[in-house]
Amino acid sequence: DTGVSQDPRHKITKRGQNVTFRCDPISEHNRLYWYRQTLGQGPEFLTYFQNEAQLEKSRLLSDRFSAERPKGSFSTLEIQRTEQGDSAMYLCASSWTGTGSGRAKDTQYFGPGTRLTVL
Amino acid sequence: RKEVEQDPGPFNVPEGATVAFNCTYSNSASQSFFWYRQDCRKEPKLLMSVYSSGNEDGRFTAQLNRASQYISLLIRDSKLSDSATYLCVVNGGNQGGKLIFGQGTELSVKP
Repeated sequence: DTGVSQDPRHKITKRGQNVTFRCDPISEHNRLYWYRQTLGQGPEFLTYFQNEAQLEKSRLLSDRFSAERPKGSFSTLEIQRTEQGDSAMYLCASSWTGTGSGRAKDTQYFGPGTRLTVL
Repeated sequence: RKEVEQDPGPFNVPEGATVAFNCTYSNSASQSFFWYRQDCRKEPKLLMSVYSSGNEDGRFTAQLNRASQYISLLIRDSKLSDSATYLCVVNGGNQGGKLIFGQGTELSVKP
């Protein structure tokens, strides 16, 4: 039984470069969430998918950010033209809204995160 | 005003102490409430859900007061391994399930 995985775990980039992160949710989970966490703060919601549909986006998600979940399984989060203020931990979580799962319904399970540093 | 507010701490306590964390939330439409634990540079992990009737899991007791929009977590007989940041979490109040996190309360348990 594997948990949520994220890749890469660490990314260092120069300002202005594009970066892409990947999240693989728990296999039977239909919802996938992206959050961002900066030092000393709790995670902040960015966006979420139910299957392949992106159902909500935070105002934090500027035009430089885009997320996809093309087949309703893994998801990618791309940041274009990175800025130093984008430096943060990007966390992915998944949950199951139906029945029949061995894990608690609607509980969000987090991946280990991708730590982004923009120089 | 933040949607979920916690005392950031840090709380420095000796082993065996009882420690209480408090949290308030602003969205009266929130339906689900949680405490997550986060170790340094790790992902948040669910500690326990919080119900109106209050719930207990071993040394941990969580309480919810909807009228006051207040959530608490009590840790009894604290262990060194309890040292972590405790995040108060509520759902966004709609069907989407997004979570709103407090900034976290840091706990350090000393021998």
